[in-house]
Amino acid sequence: QQQVKQSPQSLIVQKGGISIINCAYENTAFDYFPWYQQFPGKGPALLIAIRPDVSEKKEGRFTISFNKSAKQFSLHIMDSQPGDSATYFCAARRDAGNNRKLIWGLGTSLAVNP
Amino acid sequence: EPEVTQTPSHQVTQMGQEVILRCVPISNHLYFYWYRQILGQKVEFLVSFYNNEISEKSEIFDDQFSVERPDGSNFTLKIRSTKLEDSAMYFCASSGVSGGPRAYEQYFGPGTRLTVT
Repeated sequence: QQQVKQSPQSLIVQKGGISIINCAYENTAFDYFPWYQQFPGKGPALLIAIRPDVSEKKEGRFTISFNKSAKQFSLHIMDSQPGDSATYFCAARRDAGNNRKLIWGLGTSLAVNP
Repeated sequence: EPEVTQTPSHQVTQMGQEVILRCVPISNHLYFYWYRQILGQKVEFLVSFYNNEISEKSEIFDDQFSVERPDGSNFTLKIRSTKLEDSAMYFCASSGVSGGPRAYEQYFGPGTRLTVT
């Protein structure tokens, strides 16, 4: 019940295209869903996050779509650029209490071809 | 912009040896975490720490592991007797409680790559 399932494992997109990464969760107690971007040799960095009171959140070229009934959320990267090439992790956690541990997806390696 | 730092960046140790991984969280943060990532696998939660005590630990965090905040700035993870399967990237994270959309957001350090031989 603690799992977060992420797909695809890897993704190749042409410059200017749309990258879409999907995640599904099981635990209905989760109420905070961040996406992290990780470049080689670096720690994960928060990209964008959503809470279940909205179905979509957009920040620049990055959009999270959230479907509470399906327990799914996805990251869309519009106008993908070679600089977006990185590993993307979805995660989920409870948004209350003194322990807000993140439960992570397996990650998606995104390559954007120039 | 303040950031979480970790030392060393890479640690090689022999099986059975003790290692201490060090982290300096962001200065006004109150919540601290250790995660690890075995090569090619998902990031896994190890332990959370708040108010000078462990809030929660995973089943990975057995008696061989301990955490400490010895001086109000550092946050350390000790592995008493390392095993081959402890080889992984270890990430420290910290979060604050200030209001706004980024409250409780976890900021990650660059990681320490631990190699147990």
